[in-house]
Amino acid sequence: EADIYQTPRYLVIGTGKKITLECSQTMGHDKMYWYQQDPGMELHLIHYSYGVNSTEKGDLSSESTVSRIRTEHFPLTLESARPSHTSQYLCASSERYGNTEAFFGQGTRLTVV
Amino acid sequence: GQNIDQPTEMTATEGAIVQINCTYQTSGFNGLFWYQQHAGEAPTFLSYNVLDGLEEKGRFSSFLSRSKGYSYLLLKELQMKDSASYLCAVSRGFSSNTGKLIFGQGTTLQVKP
Repeated sequence: EADIYQTPRYLVIGTGKKITLECSQTMGHDKMYWYQQDPGMELHLIHYSYGVNSTEKGDLSSESTVSRIRTEHFPLTLESARPSHTSQYLCASSERYGNTEAFFGQGTRLTVV
Repeated sequence: GQNIDQPTEMTATEGAIVQINCTYQTSGFNGLFWYQQHAGEAPTFLSYNVLDGLEEKGRFSSFLSRSKGYSYLLLKELQMKDSASYLCAVSRGFSSNTGKLIFGQGTTLQVKP
């Protein structure tokens, strides 16, 4: 069973608010990811981290930012939420070496009104 | 460009066998994953292929042909709980320690009694 946790599961927030989506894993994985998934659509990589103090933008442009100060923690922040940010955000992690599978968190379903 | 195609929907009968196909075009191919995703839940890992051929895990098998850019997931002895979306994902990277995934849109499988 994967030990990767996201909070909150659901969030409804007003336009212009700053939000942080939390993601933590207890597996000691170096690589962590944020994916965005709209209903019925594919997952798109928006952020990627190889390890502490390493972050990269993914394939899909996103106004969100991430930080990786600790191995186990990979929060995603939106400085000013907009309705276009309404989506599901999935966090995942995998081991550093080899092409091992990614373990996904339960996701945060964000609605910006 | 990078593209992954899989059928949008499939229907099958409990106890039967179903094959879900996936074709891909991508640079830096570094393996292909299949994930299962139940509605509202996190994707869970099913299988991984990096070399040509068939990988079998219980009721699930996955096949890869790199020269054809083609994979399939085979589900045997279908159960009602197999109703879910099945995601084909290609891993890109020119070294073994990258693992950025490109996902297909997913195939929604409905298993009927």
